[in-house]
Amino acid sequence: GENVEQHPSTLSVQEGDSAVIKCTYSDSASNYFPWYKQELGKGPQLIIDIRSNVGEKKDQRIAVTLNKTAKHFSLHITETQPEDSAVYFCAATWGSSGGYNKLIFGAGTRLAVHP
Amino acid sequence: SQTIHQWPATLVQPVGSPLSLECTVEGTSNPNLYWYRQAAGRGLQLLFYSVGIGQISSEVPQNLSASRPQDRQFILSSKKLLLSDSGFYLCAWRTVGRETQYFGPGTRLLVL
Repeated sequence: GENVEQHPSTLSVQEGDSAVIKCTYSDSASNYFPWYKQELGKGPQLIIDIRSNVGEKKDQRIAVTLNKTAKHFSLHITETQPEDSAVYFCAATWGSSGGYNKLIFGAGTRLAVHP
Repeated sequence: SQTIHQWPATLVQPVGSPLSLECTVEGTSNPNLYWYRQAAGRGLQLLFYSVGIGQISSEVPQNLSASRPQDRQFILSSKKLLLSDSGFYLCAWRTVGRETQYFGPGTRLLVL
């Protein structure tokens, strides 16, 4: 079945530095790749997503890149701030049974931004 | 705008007791609905999904069941809880034809 691998599992950066989280997926039919941010004790919140017909998407300090040939996508956070500290999950669509797509999630990256 | 609610927010239950967690969505019709479980410090495991009233698909054979009695209501149940059922339960929804899933605030379940 579909598998999404996410690295690193933990990431510690100084405030103002950049952070990069990488994911690889196995299903070449995957066509949608969201990123979620989960703060302690809360549900995941969508922060950015990208579709397979686009190689890069940016929203202020957050960007996502997609390499369909290599089947990997990455989240880039620039000028990190302490409030960026959270667990980040990548995901990829998988399966198309009756037109339904599931999301398969990576294991998560715990990002700590130190002042 | 759409909102998703889950209750209770936290729950402590003894082993062998029953369980009922509820999820409701407002501001949309005929959403696809999902139940996920998240073990401490772990990723998201899809438990059930539903494409309509009374239509439930199970992803993982286990001690839990799900029901969808109304269009925007999704319930997760168990007849007898196990210690291994402890975790953070998340409900999510999406609009048919769109890929994005939106998550609720979650229910933290501790089985003792």
